[in-house]
Amino acid sequence: EDKVVQSPLSLVVHEGDTVTLNCSYEVTNFRSLLWYKQEKKAPTFLFMLTSSGIEKKSGRLSSILDKKELFSILNITATQTGDSAVYLCAVRRIQGAQKLVFGQGTRLTINP
Amino acid sequence: NAGVTQTPKFQVLKTGQSMTLQCAQDMNHEYMSWYRQDPGMGLRLIHYSVGAGITDQGEVPNGYNVSRSTTEDFPLRLLSAAPSQTSVYFCASSLNYEQYFGPGTRLTVT
Repeated sequence: EDKVVQSPLSLVVHEGDTVTLNCSYEVTNFRSLLWYKQEKKAPTFLFMLTSSGIEKKSGRLSSILDKKELFSILNITATQTGDSAVYLCAVRRIQGAQKLVFGQGTRLTINP
Repeated sequence: NAGVTQTPKFQVLKTGQSMTLQCAQDMNHEYMSWYRQDPGMGLRLIHYSVGAGITDQGEVPNGYNVSRSTTEDFPLRLLSAAPSQTSVYFCASSLNYEQYFGPGTRLTVT
């Protein structure tokens, strides 16, 4: 059975801190891993990672995938209160590639 | 483009009632899906469709029906609502790898 596990489930930090969110997976015929940010409503897409060791970066957010150890991390540097959200990790398989299996999410709270 | 739209935003049902959650997209995406999100559970796939006339079950399909008569619409039907179906429901559509989510429907079954 496919499994995606995120840690920590909840994290509270101060503005300006750097955070690292973790996502590990056990998926048959892995194709890619995706990160989403969910504020009050629908998840919004952040990154898609397919290859090991290649960092994806967008502003203060970056992510990397390790296909040997089956995990990904999402880093956020110089956090701001607007980064407060639930961060979701999801994986896709080669077969049924449009179907996503999600982790439980990490609730990140940034205090001023 | 409106993207993915869902109606209603909120709904309260009594146990045993039936209803349909509506989902529409105007991006001409072939793939559409329904998820439910419960606290601490992430999103779980209920049903999905790879094109008009084609649907399949996801991870948690029991108690739900879908149909896909057009590319644009993908309604989710609750046949006989149960308290265990209290959740937030998201519809999504995608063309390639990026899924676009609707704003969600918060459903409470009493």
